[in-house]
Amino acid sequence: DAKTTQPTSMDCAEGRAANLPCNHSTISGNEYVYWYRQIHSQGPQYIIHGLKNNETNEMASLIITEDRKSSTLILPHATLRDTAVYYCIVRAGGYSTLTFGKGTMLLVSP
Amino acid sequence: DTAVSQTPKYLVTQMGNDKSIKCEQNLGHDTMYWYKQDSKKFLKIMFSYNNKELIINETVPNRFSPKSPDKAHLNLHINSLELGDSAVYFCASSPRRDTDTQYFGPGTRLTVL
Repeated sequence: DAKTTQPTSMDCAEGRAANLPCNHSTISGNEYVYWYRQIHSQGPQYIIHGLKNNETNEMASLIITEDRKSSTLILPHATLRDTAVYYCIVRAGGYSTLTFGKGTMLLVSP
Repeated sequence: DTAVSQTPKYLVTQMGNDKSIKCEQNLGHDTMYWYKQDSKKFLKIMFSYNNKELIINETVPNRFSPKSPDKAHLNLHINSLELGDSAVYFCASSPRRDTDTQYFGPGTRLTVL
């Protein structure tokens, strides 16, 4: 699976949009971009995933660049409960596993 | 009505002991996983079972033995515990082995003294 690079930490004010970047310049054509998050002392939680097109669900939006070498996870109106470590994972389809990196620690402040 | 549950939540034991962690999912999923999160917060896959059959074993010491009595349960037994086994262990499940989304349990914090 391709390697990802994320900032170590980010801050965001409550109510504002949180934009979390991820670089995956070695991504292959059959690899998807996944985002999970881990709130302190809890298990990881799936957020969203995509292949080429931008995706949106009730939790977030995923913007993937046209060359697929980077992506951005957008939390449109961050709340204090969104404080967590966010993991960007590139994974091929089929039977491959999730490989978690260091992620980005997002701190949402009042 | 917890989707993926683990017991116990905390486990403190002495070196050399044998212990088990239990995992159950009520989602009707075919595939279950064990992950280990060490003190540096790296989360690594250990095992994966699909319909009670082992499909992934990520070079984990053979002191760790997963057991799946049915597809809703995946237990982890650890023999001769070592200090380095101290970590948080997460169980997860997914509908099928090739499914995108994994659902994680709350974790079991194992401390070996």
